[in-house]
Amino acid sequence: DADVTQTPRNRITKTGKRIMLECSQTKGHDRMYWYRQDPGLGLRLIYYSFDVKDINKGEISDGYSVSRQAQAKFSLSLESAIPNQTALYFCATRKGSYNEQFFGPGTRLTVL
Amino acid sequence: KNEVEQSPQNLTAQEGEFITINCSYSVGISALHWLQQHPGGGIVSLFMLSSGKKKHGRLIATINIQEKHSSLHITASHPRDSAVYICAVQVGNEKLTFGTGTRLTIIP
Repeated sequence: DADVTQTPRNRITKTGKRIMLECSQTKGHDRMYWYRQDPGLGLRLIYYSFDVKDINKGEISDGYSVSRQAQAKFSLSLESAIPNQTALYFCATRKGSYNEQFFGPGTRLTVL
Repeated sequence: KNEVEQSPQNLTAQEGEFITINCSYSVGISALHWLQQHPGGGIVSLFMLSSGKKKHGRLIATINIQEKHSSLHITASHPRDSAVYICAVQVGNEKLTFGTGTRLTIIP
């Protein structure tokens, strides 16, 4: 079984709808991250969390919110989706600050 | 100017060739990461390094902190190496800044 899972893997929605993307990990890592990837651009950080009580904004947090329900679960919400939020979204985990990150398989989100 | 620049953007080579992908950055960093993104979209971490050189199988990563430059080498390239290779620099404890990637295609 995969160590970092994301659901759904694909989602098509309409402008204005509320969407939640979920991430779960079995690695026992403390740090979790949400990134988005757009064609021609590098991965960009949306939010990150050190633990359940410590959540931080990344470089592009506007229009997004997150919830760290448990050490193993980190959800990303789009309160009112808009077309320019169409992208590939990745969750990642890491143990501490100076280790490699482990990525989920990605969620392809299309907002019409 | 992007903080992380990769070259080339696209690279096509014959099976067996020695491959070099370059990454230059403009800020002080605590570590540099090399990642591989498969054609299906999944991302795998290959290396994290802050000095010198690391080797894993046919992959070698080097970094020159003074010159703000890193290279990823693939020896005896194989079609299964075809992927997008991404360089990311870590500034401070948490933030990673990613390059836009190098698309590598190895022809049999």
